[in-house]
Amino acid sequence: GESVGLHLPTLSVQEGDNSIINCAYSNSASDYFIWYKQESGKGPQFIIDIRSNMDKRQGQRVTVLLNKTVKHLSLQIAATQPGDSAVYFCAETSGSRLTFGEGTQLTVNP
Amino acid sequence: EAGVTQFPSHSVIEKGQTVTLRCDPISGHDNLYWYRRVMGKEIKFLLHFVKESKQDESGMPNNRFLAERTGGTYSTLKVQPAELEDSGVYFCASSQRQGVSYEQYFGPGTRLTVT
Repeated sequence: GESVGLHLPTLSVQEGDNSIINCAYSNSASDYFIWYKQESGKGPQFIIDIRSNMDKRQGQRVTVLLNKTVKHLSLQIAATQPGDSAVYFCAETSGSRLTFGEGTQLTVNP
Repeated sequence: EAGVTQFPSHSVIEKGQTVTLRCDPISGHDNLYWYRRVMGKEIKFLLHFVKESKQDESGMPNNRFLAERTGGTYSTLKVQPAELEDSGVYFCASSQRQGVSYEQYFGPGTRLTVT
């Protein structure tokens, strides 16, 4: 399943499928981009980040892709599990503050 | 090691009242940030402390909000008087190294409801 950034804030996928969460950012001067996961009742938790001089970075079951030409960031989650259900935020920074996107609610159906 | 803690977890107050939120950062973290998420929208930056000094308070919405970090340890965020539009979740985050904002660790947040 795939979301389209701020205009589709929910994404529902079947357990085991791959998920793609998209984000459009606005500041071309940002030098770091981060994905956070927020579960109910908890604060945002760091998932993965990527520098502006990279276009892809992989973690455990997650991959972040950065397309600076169109100012687009995506998070791919492989073999999505029920524990992945949460709100996912992209964030950008060029200094000390983080600028967040609106968030996408990911629901994983068993 | 304890993470970032926030108190209270929930607060319900009437319009015009005062509320004080508290944040205890991770021990040894000089940088402390406040953010808030209003009406289910994006999380927005409020301000950044380095130790006891306000490094950047450009995100504070108006003068009804007052943040302090006396002694450079815990921080408080006071809203006086509270308005309906102040309802939301207020997050605190801390980081060790200045200028490395992606290493921010977030607390669980305080959900503020103004009625």
